Amino acid sequence: GESVGLHLPTLSVQEGDNSIINCAYSNSASDYFIWYKQESGKGPQFIIDIRSNMDKRQGQRVTVLLNKTVKHLSLQIAATQPGDSAVYFCAENTGNQFYFGTGTSLTVIP
Amino acid sequence: DTEVTQTPKHLVMGMTNKKSLKCEQHMGHRAMYWYKQKAKKPPELMFVYSYEKLSINESVPSRFSPECPNSSLLNLHLHALQPEDSALYLCASSQGQGEYEQYFGPGTRLTVT
Repeated sequence: GESVGLHLPTLSVQEGDNSIINCAYSNSASDYFIWYKQESGKGPQFIIDIRSNMDKRQGQRVTVLLNKTVKHLSLQIAATQPGDSAVYFCAENTGNQFYFGTGTSLTVIP
Repeated sequence: DTEVTQTPKHLVMGMTNKKSLKCEQHMGHRAMYWYKQKAKKPPELMFVYSYEKLSINESVPSRFSPECPNSSLLNLHLHALQPEDSALYLCASSQGQGEYEQYFGPGTRLTVT
């Protein structure tokens, strides 16, 4: 399978601070990427996506950045809230299927 | 309706049992997926159905048998499982196979004793 990895397995941030979660991917042919949030006992939930013809995309309190030169993806969460505590996965689409990264566990400290 | 439902939520079965996991979506999606997720690990793709036909089988053991009776339903039949098959089984659907957002169900927590 493809190698999609995250630089940090765990991340703790203070409530109100910004969070940055990173992801490295290995297949330069990957052309579509998704960030998912998975809370305990639930299935992954779509947060934001980005296609390879873009380098930045913004949603509500979230921004995804794509650097194709170094094959790096990041998720920025503004004003992190306790409800943001979860495991975050990046997923890359290659050959009509998605490969998930190893995940980063985000803990928000009140 | 943007929901994928899965039943049962929890399942405990012995190694000689036969059971089935069920998944349903009413979003008109034409691609449906089964993933296996072990604790603290990412989801691993098992099967993909596109337009009710098996499109991808990621070398899954034959003790797992998928079935897509119609465009809204996806089943996973289980037989002679091993304890190492204990995991969270996730179903997902998308508008089509490929560069489309996948909607996940809550999963079935399976324990094989």
